[in-house]
Amino acid sequence: TQLLEQSPQFLSIQEGENLTVYCNSSSVFSSLQWYRQEPGEGPVLLVTVVTGGEVKKLKRLTFQFGDARKDSSLHITAAQPGDTGLYLCAAPPPGTYKYIFGTGTRLKVLA
Amino acid sequence: NAGVTQTPKFRVLKTGQSMTLLCAQDMNHEYMYWYRQDPGMGLRLIHYSVGEGTTAKGEVPDGYNVSRLKKQNFLLGLESAAPSQTSVYFCASSPRAGASTDTQYFGPGTRLTVL
Repeated sequence: TQLLEQSPQFLSIQEGENLTVYCNSSSVFSSLQWYRQEPGEGPVLLVTVVTGGEVKKLKRLTFQFGDARKDSSLHITAAQPGDTGLYLCAAPPPGTYKYIFGTGTRLKVLA
Repeated sequence: NAGVTQTPKFRVLKTGQSMTLLCAQDMNHEYMYWYRQDPGMGLRLIHYSVGEGTTAKGEVPDGYNVSRLKKQNFLLGLESAAPSQTSVYFCASSPRAGASTDTQYFGPGTRLTVL
């Protein structure tokens, strides 16, 4: 069974702090996606990474795909209360047209 | 465009009752998915469809059936609800067939409680 493990599971920080969350697997993936989910809503795609070592930036969010395409990280600089939510990574097992999701990191940024 | 819509938003069932959740998308997407989300377990794929008239099993298909009679609609059925099916159900759609980098667009979810 291919799994995506996310850490930490929960994170509560003060506004202005930096943080990094991780998504790890023992499997190699062709691509990996990060989603953010706010309470009462469905997940919304933030970014897709496809190349080993790739780094993408979305304002204060920096996403990196591991060189071996088995892991990924999301770094947030100067977190704001609006960053609060559940962050999910997702990836398609090789040869499939479906996605598996990680267990998620629930982030709370306190003002 | 409404995107992906789900009905109903909330439902309470008694054990053994049946119900159908409806997902509709107006983006002409080929792929549609049903997930369930439970605390601490992320999203788990129940069933999915790669096009009108097709369905396939995901990670946790037992106790559920699906149908995709029209491209824009994907129905999830519970024939005999069990308390273990208490969850939040999300439908999603994505545009093309076979592109693993496609964006999945999610509906707002259906919160189901089985007593």
